[in-house]
Amino acid sequence: DQQVKQNSPSLSVQEGRISILNCDYTNSMFDYFLWYKKYPAEGPTFLISISSIKDKNEDGRFTVFLNKSAKHLSLHIVPSQPGDSAVYFCAASEDDKIIFGKGTRLHILP
Amino acid sequence: GEEVAQTPKHLVRGEGQKAKLYCAPIKGHSYVFWYQQVLKNEFKFLISFQNENVFDETGMPKERFSAKCLPNSPCSLEIQATKLEDSAVYFCASSQWLAGVNNEQYFGPGTRLTVT
Repeated sequence: DQQVKQNSPSLSVQEGRISILNCDYTNSMFDYFLWYKKYPAEGPTFLISISSIKDKNEDGRFTVFLNKSAKHLSLHIVPSQPGDSAVYFCAASEDDKIIFGKGTRLHILP
Repeated sequence: GEEVAQTPKHLVRGEGQKAKLYCAPIKGHSYVFWYQQVLKNEFKFLISFQNENVFDETGMPKERFSAKCLPNSPCSLEIQATKLEDSAVYFCASSQWLAGVNNEQYFGPGTRLTVT
């Protein structure tokens, strides 16, 4: 049973527009959430994180929003750039391990 | 080093052969993690270490899989008598802490294991 769900396998966004990637989770005990970006043939790269006691964290073009009551988080990228095309993994931290979603492939269109 | 290093990049083994994968965590990181990625996108936690001690091995298959992190040596993940279903990319990650700030795990490039 998946504890971290990314329901959109792929997403296409025009360059310069906002990309919104969504993630839902089931375990209310998760205390930390992370987003990773992955290019083909490379390991996931840490992007941004948020503690469960916050509802927003911003870092440059990337903002993560957390809605604990809905058990939902989202990653906003604005403006989207060609180099943002990658697979994005939502993840939740439970003790020592990170539980990943299945990923969303983001295509930035010229 | 500043990055997690994994060797080899690719490993091909015949069914029943042994496979051994290596990981050098980032210097100063106390925690090492192994993940298995099958079906291209699905990550599965295998095992974690705090320095040379096993911290959590709840994800490790009971048979055939073993892992070590010995002082002054790369960590290793060993699969005895590989099976076709072991074909996957194996990622190693390290982190400075386990929880709170700086608990982000930094991943290596992975080792692609193909069992034929």
